[in-house]
Amino acid sequence: GNSVTQMEGPVTLSEEAFLTINCTYTATGYPSLFWYVQYPGEGLQLLLKATKADDKGSNKGFEATYRKETTSFHLEKGSVQVSDSAVYFCALSGWGLPYDKVIFGPGTSLSVIP
Amino acid sequence: SAVISQKPSRDICQRGTSLTIQCQVDSQVTMMFWYRQQPGQSLTLIATANQGSEATYESGFVIDKFPISRPNLTFSTLTVSNMSPEDSSIYLCSVIPGTANGYTFGSGTRLTVV
Repeated sequence: GNSVTQMEGPVTLSEEAFLTINCTYTATGYPSLFWYVQYPGEGLQLLLKATKADDKGSNKGFEATYRKETTSFHLEKGSVQVSDSAVYFCALSGWGLPYDKVIFGPGTSLSVIP
Repeated sequence: SAVISQKPSRDICQRGTSLTIQCQVDSQVTMMFWYRQQPGQSLTLIATANQGSEATYESGFVIDKFPISRPNLTFSTLTVSNMSPEDSSIYLCSVIPGTANGYTFGSGTRLTVV
């Protein structure tokens, strides 16, 4: 079936460090891939997306590339800030899922310390 | 993309009581979705609400516990009935502008049952 796997957290980084959060997926066909972010005490926001292989989604300095050959969509940022502290969810939707259902990964908590 | 207003943003309720959560969208949408996020967990889809028909519930969720209304194309409510401490969670409504755009979420309702 369709599923999303993320690296386990929590992840703690110093400010200006490089961030990678791994995400791999299992799906039939060619799903769309997303990263959502949840800041403390808030709901979810779409951070970036990619709809086909080799697409790169980017927003707020974050990037992720849709890699069909490795079924991955790893999130990266070159220099994290304290304000990036949040929980990050990888997700997929489309292709073969009923009524546009979205499947979320378990989430990865990121803490950035000054 | 759609803008969703969700209320209340948080509430503390006594066990055995019920709480109704409202979700208002600034545009007409066919389907609205209700999610639960238990502490430290990812999102779990409760049900899908179509205007003019009964909601479709996911496995493990029943209408008696989580009745949903969808009176028009811009509004929906979720009621958490006969609450227990295990219902303490964040409840989020969402819509999909399009499959390739992922979900847009409300800001969530943080429910604590005491």
